Amino acid sequence: ETGVTQTPRHLVMGMTNKKSLKCEQHLGHNAMYWYKQSAKKPLELMFVYNFKEQTENNSVPSRFSPECPNSSHLFLHLHTLQPEDSALYLCASSHAGWERNTGELFFGEGSRLTVL
Amino acid sequence: SQQGEEDPQALSIQEGENATMNCSYKTSINNLQWYRQNSGRGLVHLILIRSNEREKHSGRLRVTLDTSKKSSSLLITASRAADTASYFCATSKGSGSRLTFGEGTQLTVNP
Repeated sequence: ETGVTQTPRHLVMGMTNKKSLKCEQHLGHNAMYWYKQSAKKPLELMFVYNFKEQTENNSVPSRFSPECPNSSHLFLHLHTLQPEDSALYLCASSHAGWERNTGELFFGEGSRLTVL
Repeated sequence: SQQGEEDPQALSIQEGENATMNCSYKTSINNLQWYRQNSGRGLVHLILIRSNEREKHSGRLRVTLDTSKKSSSLLITASRAADTASYFCATSKGSGSRLTFGEGTQLTVNP
């Protein structure tokens, strides 16, 4: 138990579906992240939120839409995905800001997405 | 280009042996971290070493950092079957936690 919970753990969807991934952290962190992990590729940073504000979007296609209603919750809304979007999507959290930033990320267990 | 690159890509050893994994990077860093990932699970932070540190220990883990060579190594001593996992290095250039991960080393410890 890392203090970061992701649901669902597994998701299968068609290319025309709309689904959402959810992440919740109980660590009192103010920064939250979405990463994509594909086979034989390094982790790809998708989005970063600091104090609920999006501070980074790494050229992610618009079919991925993040939402951060508060510092404890992060969503990734999915629509009209492609088969190549199949991957493990990892949520992470950390302290934000210099004075509390150890640089360490706390990851959830991931949501395994399969797009048919 | 990729910031952190682990070497080897895969390593298979017998229980009780030591495992050494290496990480090279290209640009200046603020700190370097090692993470572990069991198959299909999330990453777990193992150890962080700052750019002004040369060596750090945590239990059976020993990490070294050579900023002149832009490289780090992770040594796991007296390995156990439960150490079987992928190990990733990640580098941070400065403020914030914008970590850049390598592709990882898959370690298999045979009982």
